[in-house]
Amino acid sequence: ETGVTQTPRHLVMGMTNKKSLKCEQHLGHNAMYWYKQSAKKPLELMFVYNFKEQTENNSVPSRFSPECPNSSHLFLHLHTLQPEDSALYLCASSQFTGFLAEAFFGQGTRLTVV
Amino acid sequence: SQQGEEDPQALSIQEGENATMNCSYKTSINNLQWYRQNSGRGLVHLILIRSNEREKHSGRLRVTLDTSKKSSSLLITASRAADTASYFCATGRAQKLVFGQGTRLTINP
Repeated sequence: ETGVTQTPRHLVMGMTNKKSLKCEQHLGHNAMYWYKQSAKKPLELMFVYNFKEQTENNSVPSRFSPECPNSSHLFLHLHTLQPEDSALYLCASSQFTGFLAEAFFGQGTRLTVV
Repeated sequence: SQQGEEDPQALSIQEGENATMNCSYKTSINNLQWYRQNSGRGLVHLILIRSNEREKHSGRLRVTLDTSKKSSSLLITASRAADTASYFCATGRAQKLVFGQGTRLTINP
């Protein structure tokens, strides 16, 4: 238990569906992140939020829409995804962004787009 | 662009042996971190070494950092079956924590 909880753990969705991934942290951290992990590729940083403000969008397609209503919650809204978007989506949090901060990860959501 | 690159990509050793994994990176960093990931799960932070540090220990883990060579190594001593996992280095720079592709470590009983 890392203090970062992701739901759901598994998700299968069609290309025309709309779904959301949820992440919640109970660590009092100020920064939250979405990462994508595909087979045989490095973890890809998608979005960074610091004190609820988005500070990084790593050229992510608009079919992925993040939302951070407060420092404890982070969502990733999904719509009209492609099969190549199937991956493990990991949420993480840290006390500060970037340097001097270790990240705490959730268990991930295994997404399959059919 | 990708920062850390681990070497080797896969490593298989006998239980009780030591395992060494290396990480190289390309640009200046504030710190370097190592993480472990069990299959299909989230990453767990192992150790952080700052750019002005050369070596750090945590239990059976020893991490070294050579900023002149832009490289780091993770040594796991007296390996156990439970150490079987993927190990990633991550470099901290500005807002980002950028991960390498990982080393898949298998400990054989």
